[in-house]
Amino acid sequence: IQMTQSPSSLSASVGDGVILTCRASQDIRNAVGWYQKKPGKAPKVLIYAASHLQSGVPSRFSGSGYDRDFTLTISSLQPEDFGTYYCLQDHSYPYTFGQGTELEMK
Amino acid sequence: QVQLVQSAAELKKPGASVIVSCKAAGYSFTDYYIHWVRQAPGQGPEWMAWINPKTGASNLAQKYRGRVTLSRDTSTSTASLGLYSLTSDDTAVYYCAKEGPGPVAGFLFADWGQGTLVTVSS
Repeated sequence: IQMTQSPSSLSASVGDGVILTCRASQDIRNAVGWYQKKPGKAPKVLIYAASHLQSGVPSRFSGSGYDRDFTLTISSLQPEDFGTYYCLQDHSYPYTFGQGTELEMK
Repeated sequence: QVQLVQSAAELKKPGASVIVSCKAAGYSFTDYYIHWVRQAPGQGPEWMAWINPKTGASNLAQKYRGRVTLSRDTSTSTASLGLYSLTSDDTAVYYCAKEGPGPVAGFLFADWGQGTLVTVSS
């Protein structure tokens, strides 16, 4: 299953709201997670099962979607939110990540 | 708290083999699957495989079958990934990741090791 993320990069300012999207090549119900990656660090899970917020993750992050189209919304960007975001499908093996959206500070 | 501590960086020649280990602490090692994910320079992450620490059963992505072995040692709470016949395409950071749980049912990589850089170069 291919996961296609858009945009590939995005420039935004602190306080902005942003929406990242991920499209699956086939229906995958709600089997999507969103991960934040910073250089030299391991990925960190933000959202799983499309819309469930992982413990300890700020409520400004939210996820939605079903079957093919998924979104990650950050309601008000904070300085620590800049990095690369990946979606992951866990519907079928092999699990696959999207190619990422790099979120940069404007 | 949960900790996954991986082995140190490795430099290998093409054709060689490498073993990356992942020592778990802070939870019951046999209760959650361990997955392996790698990220090559400039690329997105790639899921490779999982191992069930309780039974030793494993599942590998098709592209790694025959070239990757997974093992675990329950006495030391350690999972290991062996990768053989290395090429420059195997240069990547290798991560182990533990499955959930999350606040509600669903799949997630809840905890990660710090990553092990494997460089393949002549």
